[in-house]
Amino acid sequence: EVQLLESGGGLVQPGGSLRLSCAASGFTFSSYVMTWVRQAPGKGLEWVSTVSTGGINTYYADSVKGRFTISRDNSKNTLYLQMNSLRAEDTAIYYCAKLGSDNSWYGGFDYWGQGTLGTVSS
Amino acid sequence: EIVMTQSPATLSVSPGERATLSCRASQSVSSNLAWYQQKPGQAPRLLIYGASTRATGIPARFSGSGSGTEFTLTISSLQSEDFAVYYCQQYSNWPRTFGQGTKLEI
Repeated sequence: EVQLLESGGGLVQPGGSLRLSCAASGFTFSSYVMTWVRQAPGKGLEWVSTVSTGGINTYYADSVKGRFTISRDNSKNTLYLQMNSLRAEDTAIYYCAKLGSDNSWYGGFDYWGQGTLGTVSS
Repeated sequence: EIVMTQSPATLSVSPGERATLSCRASQSVSSNLAWYQQKPGQAPRLLIYGASTRATGIPARFSGSGSGTEFTLTISSLQSEDFAVYYCQQYSNWPRTFGQGTKLEI
């Protein structure tokens, strides 16, 4: 059974940092592109970042570029999102998601974690 | 950036009826389009990818169609568990983008 378990959310002051983790199990983690998607309270879904299977290639939304860093450790089956210089507008539930097709950039996100809430407030 | 526009924002229907949700892309995404369902307090669930292919375990009453810039998600004979918010998402270009969602309500 595929499982994605996020952790690391919490309350942080503006300008602070958070590091989110997503522990994966039930599939060959190293074969799948992984993604972070966020959802502000009461709002829609926003794609944040995607990382290639080997961790070399990364993509970011303009809203987080230069402040967030996505990475993965295939030996630990874990995805990360380092979030720096946080702003109030970064407050959201952060979901990690697995791409449906192995060794591909294309396809829907077929499994999602339960999400972890990051709150940026003074 | 490709802008995804969904309509209507809210759709009021009754159980047993048919629902048609629309998604328009600001430029062609070919068939690189997915649909998701999200219920309150839950993560999104993949319904459709490749514009028309049902994901594993998705009932046949869900169907997707379209290509290029115009897409449709049809739910035939609505069940009570189908009342939720639906999002389309393109994966043709970076950044990946979602529509703003359509809320399906009774």
